[in-house]
Amino acid sequence: KNEVEQSPQNLTAQEGEFITINCSYSVGISALHWLQQHPGGGIVSLFMLSSGKKKHGRLIATINIQEKHSSLHITASHPRDSAVYICAVTETSGSRLTFGEGTQLTVNP
Amino acid sequence: EAQVTQNPRYLITVTGKKLTVTCSQNMNHEYMSWYRQDPGLGLRQIYYSMNVEVTDKGDVPEGYKVSRKEKRNFPLILESPSPNQTSLYFCASRALEAPYNEQFFGPGTRLTVL
Repeated sequence: KNEVEQSPQNLTAQEGEFITINCSYSVGISALHWLQQHPGGGIVSLFMLSSGKKKHGRLIATINIQEKHSSLHITASHPRDSAVYICAVTETSGSRLTFGEGTQLTVNP
Repeated sequence: EAQVTQNPRYLITVTGKKLTVTCSQNMNHEYMSWYRQDPGLGLRQIYYSMNVEVTDKGDVPEGYKVSRKEKRNFPLILESPSPNQTSLYFCASRALEAPYNEQFFGPGTRLTVL
């Protein structure tokens, strides 16, 4: 069993739909990261959170430390949101970053 | 502009020919790390460094070496590359102190070993 599991693996949506990607982890963490990887391959950090909720534009990330679960929400999705979204956790030791396998999101116009 | 740079971006080489992929950051970050990304396996950590002269193995260190002689640079060395090291490599850096420890990734290096 992977230490970081994401669901779904693939997600196709119509433009305008509300999207949720889930991440569960099994290790003690000091922070959880949501990353975005576009088809060109570059990786961008969207959020880093250790508790509660963060919002940036149409993106919202939440984390429940007790349940070891995080969600990434995209409101009013757009084709330019099409990318791979990766959940990663910084383990409590602070030295290791462990990644989920990613969720491929496709938003159709 | 705050950034992590990697060179080269693309490299095709042959088995056994030593190569170095450079990584440099301009944010004075203590922590630097190398990852490889393979289809179906996701991103995996190769080596990391908590500061100058301090390095440690990640999940898949076999066949790789690193050094951290200066804070800004963290080169990845493949002494004798093999075809199973064909992959997409990312360097990343971050500060150690919260709340400044967002990860910054380099643009990636696509390596093919024939």
